Amino acid sequence: QVQLQESGPGLVKPSETLSLICTVSGDSITSSFWTWIRQPPGKGLEWIGSIYHSGNTNYNPSLKSRVTISLDTSKSQFSLNLRSVTAADTAVYYCAKGSGWHYYWGQGTLVTVSS
Amino acid sequence: EIVLTQSPGTLSLSPGERATLSCRASQSVSSGYLAWYQQKPGQAPRLLIYSASSRATGIPDRFSGSGSGTDFTLTISRLEPEDFAVYYCQQYGGSVAFGGGTKVEIK
Repeated sequence: QVQLQESGPGLVKPSETLSLICTVSGDSITSSFWTWIRQPPGKGLEWIGSIYHSGNTNYNPSLKSRVTISLDTSKSQFSLNLRSVTAADTAVYYCAKGSGWHYYWGQGTLVTVSS
Repeated sequence: EIVLTQSPGTLSLSPGERATLSCRASQSVSSGYLAWYQQKPGQAPRLLIYSASSRATGIPDRFSGSGSGTDFTLTISRLEPEDFAVYYCQQYGGSVAFGGGTKVEIK
């Protein structure tokens, strides 16, 4: 059974960097693409970006200048760094398997941007 | 960049009724790369349909997807109490985008 679990700080100050990790179990992280998606409170879903085990990445154009997604195959983890955050980046952040449709999702973690 | 518009924003129906949800793309979605998800409060989205019309593993056959090009539809043939939720479409032909969602609520 594939499982994904997000982890990281629940509170980040404005202008700082939001950093999250997704730990994958029950599957090889070299088997697929892996994706980050977010959802502001009470709003819809927004794709952030994806990474393949080769290290190739694909980012949402609206976030591309601030986002880095990376992979640590030794730990079966992939991570999200979002720089220069503002209150508009407050959201539940999900990690998911795949680069197109997503059958496996993490439970999501709420990150609040506030001083 | 493809923009997805879902309608209606809210659908008020009774259990047992048929639900028809629309997802319209601003440009043609290549190869029918369109998915549908169900989301309940406090939960991650659940994949229902991929490639416009293929049901995901474990999804009841009352859920069906259709469409091509710029117009796609999710149909729930007979609403069960657990089907009242928010539904999102997603295109993944090239870049990735989600629609704004349709809430299916109990009438």
